[in-house]
Amino acid sequence: NAGVTQTPKFRILKIGQSMTLQCTQDMNHNYMYWYRQDPGMGLKLIYYSVGAGITDKGEVPNGYNVSRSTTEDFPLRLELAAPSQTSVYFCASMGAGELFFGEGSRLTVL
Amino acid sequence: KQEVTQIPAALSVPEGENLVLNCSFTDSAIYNLQWFRQDPGKGLTSLLLIQSSQREQTSGRLNASLDKSSGRSTLYIAASQPGDSATYLCAVIDNDMRFGAGTRLTVKP
Repeated sequence: NAGVTQTPKFRILKIGQSMTLQCTQDMNHNYMYWYRQDPGMGLKLIYYSVGAGITDKGEVPNGYNVSRSTTEDFPLRLELAAPSQTSVYFCASMGAGELFFGEGSRLTVL
Repeated sequence: KQEVTQIPAALSVPEGENLVLNCSFTDSAIYNLQWFRQDPGKGLTSLLLIQSSQREQTSGRLNASLDKSSGRSTLYIAASQPGDSATYLCAVIDNDMRFGAGTRLTVKP
């Protein structure tokens, strides 16, 4: 019973590099979300999706892109990484009004 | 736009004390409200989900209540233990989803 799985758990990037954070869920949920959490702060919504082929911006989408080609997968791509993108990233899915979170991906941009 | 506020931001209590964490929201037209726990450097663990038609949910020493008309939810923790030390977040789920900033709880032995 995997739930929401995120990879990688940790990553260090150099400024200007690009990478993709992977998120997959096995609960057949339509709604999926990407959040970032800066130290001592709350969660901020980056992007969300209400189903395969449909994505929309959240509060802080700049510098990120997403795609949703399948129900299961919702990858988050960082283009031209900047130090301001150093954060912990959480993927979540929602089914029957209940949220399920992955364990997070800790990203450092140096 | 829904705004979610959690008070207090931090709370320190001696072991064994009963305590209440508060979550308030500005728009009462919500679907559900969910309480989470987050340990330092870890992900979010779901504690309780209260659906809009419910007034409260209980799990062990935890009891969460929901009063949509007043825009308020409380999380009651009975007989607190040092292992309860964590940050507690509430999430208000409507057409959007908003999180409070959390209450950082420390239970001292």
